[in-house]
Amino acid sequence: DSGVTQTPKHLITATGQRVTLRCSPRSGDLSVYWYQQSLDQGLQFLIQYYNGEERAKGNILERFSAQQFPDLHSELNLSSLELGDSALYFCASSDRTSQETQYFGPGTRLLVL
Amino acid sequence: SQQGEEDPQALSIQEGENATMNCSYKTSINNLQWYRQNSGRGLVHLILIRSNEREKHSGRLRVTLDTSKKSSSLLITASRAADTASYFCATGSKEGNRKFTFGMGTQVRVKL
Repeated sequence: DSGVTQTPKHLITATGQRVTLRCSPRSGDLSVYWYQQSLDQGLQFLIQYYNGEERAKGNILERFSAQQFPDLHSELNLSSLELGDSALYFCASSDRTSQETQYFGPGTRLLVL
Repeated sequence: SQQGEEDPQALSIQEGENATMNCSYKTSINNLQWYRQNSGRGLVHLILIRSNEREKHSGRLRVTLDTSKKSSSLLITASRAADTASYFCATGSKEGNRKFTFGMGTQVRVKL
């Protein structure tokens, strides 16, 4: 158990819908990273937050948005969902000092029908 | 394109044998890390090697880093069935550790 929690574990929805994925980092960690993992694209970095502020952006679509709240939990919002958005979505956090090692949550499996 | 590219894509070995996989990257790095992922689960950090280090050991794991060739290797000695997983390398950029780039992974299968 990494200490990073993600909810829900599974999500099934229809095209065009909007969903919110939630992540709580390890106690004391300030950074949260979001990744998308699909079979053909591997693990893609989406976005990073540090203490409530956006720090780095990766291959995140405009239909996707994220934020980190004062209690440090983060939410990833996916809207106008398409079939191709079906994937595993991981959240990770890193320790506040070195930020070198990432600790991954168990992921949310999203299926868009 | 991915910064880290693992090779081979898949590896099948007998229990007790050693498993070696490689990772190549394109730009300057601050550190390189290896992670393991069991099927459909979150990634688990295995080992980190910094750009000024050449070799590092952790239990049955041995990692090497050659910054001149922009490559790293992960060796798992005396493999066990529990080592069956996907292994990913991730590079930490020089602009602080704000962005990690993962490869596609090497799928390792250890047969009994």
